[in-house]
Amino acid sequence: SYELTQPPSVSVSPGQTARITCSGDALPKQYAYWYQQKPGQAPVLVIYKDSERPSGIPERFSGSSSGTTVTLTISGVQAEDEADYYCQSADSSGTPVFGGGTKLTVL
Amino acid sequence: EVQLVESGGGLVKPGGSLRLSCAASGFTFSSYSMNWVRQAPGKGLEWVSSISSSSSYIYYADSVKGRFTISRDNAKNSLYLQMNSLRAEDTAVYYCARDQKDFDQHYFDYWGQGTLVTVSS
Repeated sequence: SYELTQPPSVSVSPGQTARITCSGDALPKQYAYWYQQKPGQAPVLVIYKDSERPSGIPERFSGSSSGTTVTLTISGVQAEDEADYYCQSADSSGTPVFGGGTKLTVL
Repeated sequence: EVQLVESGGGLVKPGGSLRLSCAASGFTFSSYSMNWVRQAPGKGLEWVSSISSSSSYIYYADSVKGRFTISRDNAKNSLYLQMNSLRAEDTAVYYCARDQKDFDQHYFDYWGQGTLVTVSS
């Protein structure tokens, strides 16, 4: 089955830049999406179509794609950005697939 | 404002059944495909099932195929998940999520708060 690989954890200090990667063989041909999930809350879409930002999502959230890796970048990290982040794409049949998630810790 | 409110979760014994509901408001429900996504305690997200706007197209994850049935009632702005032959590994928070589509690729732009299903004897 198709897998998306994320690092389990990323730590940054407030004001620094956090980069969370997601790797998958099909990513050169498929879009990636990113969700933020805070403890006890539902996921929130923060990036769609690799690099587009939904309305209401702060500009410090951005996405990029290069080959088999997509990256969520959070510039000027704030304490409120501490959360789990999940990438999502699709396998060859179009079935949605999530990465394992990355816990972002703001030191 | 888009709102999705799940209900129907609870404690059920292995082999038992449960029916989840999702009440939608704030958008034209009949125009959107809908999904169920689950999250086991302390684990990641897993897509479970999707249904097109007119119920013409229905898909399931292999892990639930043959046991779960997704349905919807556009007149009631409601989405359902009938879960039969439940197993311990079905224990999770179940989220209702609105579908969006880029070409042939689906993603989830709004999520409910989830309902917890616990399968245990």
